[in-house]
Amino acid sequence: EVQLVESGEDLVQPGGSLRLSCSASGFTFSSYAMHWVRQAPGKGLEYVSGISSDGSTTYCADSVKGRCTISRDNSKNMLFLQMSSLRPEDTAVYYCVKRQMATNGFDQWGQGTLVSVSS
Amino acid sequence: QSALTQPRSVSGSPGQSVTISCTGTSSDVGGYNYVSWYQQHPGKAPKLMIHEVSKRPSGVPDRFSGSKSDSTASLTISGLQAEDEADYYCCSYAGGYSWVFGGGTKLTVL
Repeated sequence: EVQLVESGEDLVQPGGSLRLSCSASGFTFSSYAMHWVRQAPGKGLEYVSGISSDGSTTYCADSVKGRCTISRDNSKNMLFLQMSSLRPEDTAVYYCVKRQMATNGFDQWGQGTLVSVSS
Repeated sequence: QSALTQPRSVSGSPGQSVTISCTGTSSDVGGYNYVSWYQQHPGKAPKLMIHEVSKRPSGVPDRFSGSKSDSTASLTISGLQAEDEADYYCCSYAGGYSWVFGGGTKLTVL
């Protein structure tokens, strides 16, 4: 069974930084691109960041560009998201997501971790 | 990238059909056949319902179907059931390893 379990800071001050982790199991992690998608309270889904299976290609959305670093450790089946200069509008549930390479669908989602940016 | 445009809400009675539209541009929906749809119940993670415009993953009922014309994709749910009441999001590849979601549509089963 595929499992994606997110963890990280739940409360961060404005201007601060965070590092989210996602532990993956139940599939060959090193074969799949991975992504982060977030959802502000009561709002829709927003694509945040993605990384190729070998880590050679990364992308951060315009809303977080310059403040976002995505990385992975294939030896430990772990995905990471670092964000800096956090703003209140970064408050959201952050989902770790696996992308099915053949179909380009986001076929597995973690349960999400809530990050609140507030003083 | 700007979010794809979806209606905020749609509704239908049990047994009826509803269609949710998702409008983008030639840089996303119109440029690639990588449109997917997700169902999200309150407090739950999204679930993939349709990928590559019109293909259903294993386990998704054939009441769910997808299509695309130019820069507008559509999700049709036929034979509405109470458990279909949820939020639905479209998503499209937008090039350069980027993806964009729609704003979401709340489906109410009357």
